[in-house]
Amino acid sequence: DAEITQSPRHKITETGRQVTLACHQTWNHNNMFWYRQDLGHGLRLIHYSYGVQDTNKGEVSDGYSVSRSNTEDLPLTLESAASSQTSVYFCASSEKQGSYNEQFFGPGTRLTVL
Amino acid sequence: QKEVEQDPGPLSVPEGAIVSLNCTYSNSAFQYFMWYRQYSRKGPELLMYTYSSGNKEDGRFTAQVDKSSKYISLFIRDSQPSDSATYLCAMSGYLSGGYNKLIFGAGTRLAVHP
Repeated sequence: DAEITQSPRHKITETGRQVTLACHQTWNHNNMFWYRQDLGHGLRLIHYSYGVQDTNKGEVSDGYSVSRSNTEDLPLTLESAASSQTSVYFCASSEKQGSYNEQFFGPGTRLTVL
Repeated sequence: QKEVEQDPGPLSVPEGAIVSLNCTYSNSAFQYFMWYRQYSRKGPELLMYTYSSGNKEDGRFTAQVDKSSKYISLFIRDSQPSDSATYLCAMSGYLSGGYNKLIFGAGTRLAVHP
């Protein structure tokens, strides 16, 4: 069955370190998204991609970067981790642009920055 | 002021009760209105979506959209303990950043006790 996976599921790191969170989907979806979820804020969009080599900034992109070299993967990099980036991170994918498409979410990565 | 407001709860109801969950929004450009359900330590999954105003029913769940009041609701009839989860509303529109850029509410935590 097609799915979307995230790794690691839990990560503890120190302030200032570079961290990369992986997202892999097997639906062959064009669109991929990264969100963070914090109490009181719901899900907020960090970065998104509508296809290979396409990346766009979302609502809370400062301190994060992404690159899309193939259809299946959209890794999220925290260049220099900060305590404010402690959060639960969700990756999602959807089929195409041009109209509403259901977004399918991964299981999440719980990141703690000490 | 957030674009989408949602009471975080928690909401605790007895089994069999009718549950009403609500969101208000400020951006009149929203066209698609979604409800996601998120079980503890899992990713969100789409429950229902509605285009523009009106009602949509799926089993025990009914989604309502009132664009004139900028107000959406999700009703759960005959609630079950398995409905215990966080319910997130989400919205998108062509002129609010694109159909695939979802704006989420903070989520309402629901507990249905036997």
